[in-house]
Amino acid sequence: GAVVSQHPSRVICKSGTSVKIECRSLDFQATTMFWYRQFPKQSLMLMATSNEGSKATYEQGVEKDKFLINHASLTLSTLTVTSAHPEDSSFYICSARKVGFRDSGRGYEQYFGPGTRLTVT
Amino acid sequence: GENVEQHPSTLSVQEGDSAVIKCTYSDSASNYFPWYKQELGKRPQLIIDIRSNVGEKKDQRIAVTLNKTAKHFSLHITETQPEDSAVYFCAASPGNQFYFGTGTSLTVIP
Repeated sequence: GAVVSQHPSRVICKSGTSVKIECRSLDFQATTMFWYRQFPKQSLMLMATSNEGSKATYEQGVEKDKFLINHASLTLSTLTVTSAHPEDSSFYICSARKVGFRDSGRGYEQYFGPGTRLTVT
Repeated sequence: GENVEQHPSTLSVQEGDSAVIKCTYSDSASNYFPWYKQELGKRPQLIIDIRSNVGEKKDQRIAVTLNKTAKHFSLHITETQPEDSAVYFCAASPGNQFYFGTGTSLTVIP
């Protein structure tokens, strides 16, 4: 299998505080993980690519100082929303790709976590 | 960067009919095109994917076609069932990253 977990599933925080979201690949190693943001009834917007042992790559328009990403091991990436504001309220989903997975057409697939619902009050 | 457009945004079909969702992409470097199904409040699940060296792929009631020249690809679901009701996203991948379309909310009417 290829299971990705996220913690917490839901979090409510006060404006100005920071929140950390964890993304774990449970049964495989992932050198690369991805963080997405999804507003209600909208698409998944790629925020950043998390690379194990190196700095994350952020998409245009995403503030790297606000959304801190750390990929300290082959099974864990964390997203910290710093100084959260109500407009940061959203559904955050991570995904991961397997390391060294070879198949005739696979190896490209991303496995998604269940998402984290962040509400900033 | 890659820009993926998806149509229609909503689609209602009678049970048993076919559903077609279309996507276009802008980056000619994109070489992998997955389709995901997302039920409300749940994670996206891969339903079918196609690589750029293939023009068509089929898996039971689901098929995907790709036209690299025109930079568009489509999802076809035949013999639709109520459990097919969900939001469907296409994506294009020019490298590691996936860029998603805006989604299609499919409703299959029993």
